[in-house]
Amino acid sequence: DIQMTQSPASLSASLGETVTIECLASEDIYDILAWYQQKPGKSPQLLIYDASSLHTGVPSRFSGSGSGTQYSLKINSLQPEDFASYYCQNGLSAPLTFGSGTKLEIK
Amino acid sequence: EVQLVESGGGLVQPGRSLKLSCAASGFTFSNYGMAWVCQAPTKGLEWVASISTGGGNTYYRDSVKGRFTISRDNAKNTLYLQMDSLRSEDTATYYCARHTDSSYIYFDYWGQGVMVTVSS
Repeated sequence: DIQMTQSPASLSASLGETVTIECLASEDIYDILAWYQQKPGKSPQLLIYDASSLHTGVPSRFSGSGSGTQYSLKINSLQPEDFASYYCQNGLSAPLTFGSGTKLEIK
Repeated sequence: EVQLVESGGGLVQPGRSLKLSCAASGFTFSNYGMAWVCQAPTKGLEWVASISTGGGNTYYRDSVKGRFTISRDNAKNTLYLQMDSLRSEDTATYYCARHTDSSYIYFDYWGQGVMVTVSS
């Protein structure tokens, strides 16, 4: 199974700041990676797929990058609605695996 | 508008069974693979199972193989998860999710989730 190691587990930042969340796969996943945002009490929402493609309706301050085993999600100019939990997901093969999540909190 | 509405959750004793349903609307259900993803209280997301458009191919995480069965009824636009031999570690919110229209498996729409609690 492909393991997804996500870091950091939690992150404090201020409005307007830029933050980066990392995801490390245990083997090459050929950019077959998604990022999701989940707010408390809500279901997850797809942000990024294929490592860097923005899902429909997602603001351009979100961007994804990476290749091979290392991937990152960058959020520019943090807005109040961005404070949430974020998960990466391997979409290459079953069993599909998620990272353990990053909780982004307001400083 | 795409909508996925889960039902069938609740409190169940260890070893018993439960069947979840997910009613889909707002898209051509038979054209999309579907999945169940769970989230234990205060924990992260875990993929549980997926099913192909016609139902002929199913995939499971190891911990539920032989106990859970994913199925679909394209005439009724409904996805199911039959959960047998339930264990306390199956306690979680279960989300129904639609596969993206892609060769790879991502999830572009999710239901609101249904809680399953396994306890005596």
